[in-house]
Amino acid sequence: AQSVAQPEDQVNVAEGNPLTVKCTYSVSGNPYLFWYVQYPNRGLQFLLKYITGDNLVKGSYGFEAEFNKSQTSFHLKKPSALVSDSALYFCVGWGGSYIPTFGRGTSLIVHP
Amino acid sequence: DTEVTQTPKHLVMGMTNKKSLKCEQHMGHRAMYWYKQKAKKPPELMFVYSYEKLSINESVPSRFSPECPNSSLLNLHLHALQPEDSALYLCASSPIIWDSSTDTQYFGPGTRLTVL
Repeated sequence: AQSVAQPEDQVNVAEGNPLTVKCTYSVSGNPYLFWYVQYPNRGLQFLLKYITGDNLVKGSYGFEAEFNKSQTSFHLKKPSALVSDSALYFCVGWGGSYIPTFGRGTSLIVHP
Repeated sequence: DTEVTQTPKHLVMGMTNKKSLKCEQHMGHRAMYWYKQKAKKPPELMFVYSYEKLSINESVPSRFSPECPNSSLLNLHLHALQPEDSALYLCASSPIIWDSSTDTQYFGPGTRLTVL
């Protein structure tokens, strides 16, 4: 069985501060991990993915994520948060099946 | 162009109505997906089409009937829905399914469905 966990329902951060949205995974085989963002009443937008190679993955809108195999984590980070980053973030994993496993989602709130 | 379009944006229907949702992509993708999403929850996979053939049906009730007329178009026909079927219905596409562990899925904006 595979699972993706996002331990925080909500993350609050002040504008200009660094942000981290956490994700841990448990998948069989090589993990393929994605981050998506969803703004209110919109579809999901792809941010970045880890397939293989460098553990630090850079993505859209200044986001990056660090793959850590020993800690089975794939945390999303940004050095300086913007109010416009406020949205719902999903970590998604694939572990050898054709069906993706979504984390429960983390609501990011960036305060001015 | 990484756009997936969905129509209509909003749909209100009664439990005895028949309606359809439409999804279109022109990226040459050969895999297309329907998801159902409740508020502040992750999307739940419903159906997957690969090369216009239904590959995965995640035990979805028969009141939802998917159709893939061609490689660019995906429909979801709705009949005799229940109020609990009210949700955001998302369509997505990816280049191919067989390597779906590495292919990125691109999502449409969704159709907000309300069943009265």
